[in-house]
Amino acid sequence: AQRVTQPEKLLSVFKGAPVELKCNYSYSGSPELFWYVQYSRQRLQLLLRHISRESIKGFTADLNKGETSFHLKKPFAQEEDSAMYYCALSSGGSNYKLTFGKGTLLTVNP
Amino acid sequence: EADIYQTPRYLVIGTGKKITLECSQTMGHDKMYWYQQDPGMELHLIHYSYGVNSTEKGDLSSESTVSRIRTEHFPLTLESARPSHTSQYLCASSDRLPYEQYFGPGTRLTVT
Repeated sequence: AQRVTQPEKLLSVFKGAPVELKCNYSYSGSPELFWYVQYSRQRLQLLLRHISRESIKGFTADLNKGETSFHLKKPFAQEEDSAMYYCALSSGGSNYKLTFGKGTLLTVNP
Repeated sequence: EADIYQTPRYLVIGTGKKITLECSQTMGHDKMYWYQQDPGMELHLIHYSYGVNSTEKGDLSSESTVSRIRTEHFPLTLESARPSHTSQYLCASSDRLPYEQYFGPGTRLTVT
């Protein structure tokens, strides 16, 4: 069975500090990994996916198959980054379901 | 504009009432999903559909039912609402690839 673990329920940093949101997964095949974000009073939306290898709003995430991790990083946090972040996994193939982690609430203090 | 819509956005209803939560999408996607999410908590998949006349139960057992008669429409029904059904319900859709899902704004249901 596939599983996504986000060990930190809450993460608080100061503006300008680096931030890393941890995500570990359990899956025997080659997964598709995603980060979703939910800002206050907004709908859940895709932030980035590993296959794109792109930086969105200054965030990057690298898939480490050896450590089965997909941590989300940003070198300098901004107050507008405060939100709920969910890591998600798809097993691919004909299975289009996503398995979500429990989420990490990031608060960036001024 | 391509989007995914949910109505109502908020619903307060008494125990025992039948309710239907509407979800429609103009994304042209064939796959649709229903999630249940308590505030600030994880998402639990309760139903999904890969096409018309195809519905499956998700990872979390739910007393709700769904139907998919039209590609763009995926309503969720509770025959007899109970306080334990109080939650936020999110609808999502996706295309065949690349597996990313697009979410609606959600319906916040309160059963008194």
